[in-house]
Amino acid sequence: DAGVIQSPRHEVTEMGQEVTLRCKPISGHDYLFWYRQTMMRGLELLIYFNNNVPIDDSGMPEDRFSAKMPNASFSTLKIQPSEPRDSAVYFCASSLGGGAFNEQFFGPGTRLTVL
Amino acid sequence: AQSVTQPDIHITVSEGASLELRCNYSYGATPYLFWYVQSPGQGLQLLLKYFSGDTLVQGIKGFEAEFKRSQSSFNLRKPSVHWSDAAEYFCAVGTSGTYKYIFGTGTRLKVLA
Repeated sequence: DAGVIQSPRHEVTEMGQEVTLRCKPISGHDYLFWYRQTMMRGLELLIYFNNNVPIDDSGMPEDRFSAKMPNASFSTLKIQPSEPRDSAVYFCASSLGGGAFNEQFFGPGTRLTVL
Repeated sequence: AQSVTQPDIHITVSEGASLELRCNYSYGATPYLFWYVQSPGQGLQLLLKYFSGDTLVQGIKGFEAEFKRSQSSFNLRKPSVHWSDAAEYFCAVGTSGTYKYIFGTGTRLKVLA
């Protein structure tokens, strides 16, 4: 398996622009997680899905952030409008089965820079 | 509330020396504990995990960790560090009833030749 795939790997945009990050989970995995990593706050869970349905979005920082999972093999995280403080590395992870004991497999991340 | 503390932000060791990275957690019940490693520009890779049973857990790349309930700790160890072990290491706790991991802030390991 190719593992979790994220695109783009790097994104540089200007403040106010819309940003869309993409994720393809490991085939057969039924949970998908979006994380944000910053120096100040470390790794934070933004939202997670089970069978394409958002379960917990309490970590989404603001209404400017939205996430969708239209099918089992694709998810997006959108920021509109983007702000410099959104600059971070965004990780997507997937797992087979629920429960905190299930290993989450992480993608390589998208490094977002908002100027 | 659940929390994970990694008290060492940076650690530097010489190649061939032993290594111990500290992790303390706060959780009312038996936690699910994980150590992940993040190499530069890469995603996180699972090193090992603990759910129950033997408190000494073996992982990949020669790493092991020991769960000590009395100390609320899950320290990561390696007897002899290799230059390729230079990376950032994250301890995480998963709590029953949720599907969330709570990550520590990470420890960045530097290995001197």
